Amino acid sequence: DAGVIQSPRHEVTEMGQEVTLRCKPISGHNSLFWYRQTMMRGLELLIYFNNNVPIDDSGMPEDRFSAKMPNASFSTLKIQPSEPRDSAVYFCASSTHIWGDNIQYFGAGTRLSVL
Amino acid sequence: GNSVTQMEGPVTLSEEAFLTINCTYTATGYPSLFWYVQYPGEGLQLLLKATKADDKGSNKGFEATYRKETTSFHLEKGSVQVSDSAVYFCALRFSQGGSEKLVFGKGTKLTVNP
Repeated sequence: DAGVIQSPRHEVTEMGQEVTLRCKPISGHNSLFWYRQTMMRGLELLIYFNNNVPIDDSGMPEDRFSAKMPNASFSTLKIQPSEPRDSAVYFCASSTHIWGDNIQYFGAGTRLSVL
Repeated sequence: GNSVTQMEGPVTLSEEAFLTINCTYTATGYPSLFWYVQYPGEGLQLLLKATKADDKGSNKGFEATYRKETTSFHLEKGSVQVSDSAVYFCALRFSQGGSEKLVFGKGTKLTVNP
């Protein structure tokens, strides 16, 4: 299995531009999670889906952030417009489900720099 | 609320030294506890876990024991190797609204020198 695949690995953009991060979960996993990692705040859960449905988006920082999961094999996290304080590493993770003794498997992350 | 506090790094050791990374937690109920490891340029990987008090998780020579009385889950390894250089995250899993969520500590960077 190829694991969780994220693209791009690195993204550099200018303030005000739209940024789209992509994630392909492990085949057969029903749950998908988006995290943000910064030096100041550590690893924060932004949103998670179960069976393609958003379950909890309370971690999404503001309306500039949105996430979709149109099917079981693809999810996007969009920032529009982007700001320098959005610079961070964004991780996607997937698991078989969101309850019970399940393990989250992480992608390699997307390092976003907003200038 | 539910939170994890782990020792701040960075930690620098020589090869074959003993490693301890402290982790304490605050939680309602009975969370499961985890250590994840992040190697340079990679995502987080599960290192070990414990699901109830007094359980010991172990993997690749690392161990951690779930201590409810001290609300701790310290990571230990008797003899570290250069290849153990990475960032280590303590985490707890708790139930909320019918689903389970992970809360992570801020991570401790370990560098092992030959």
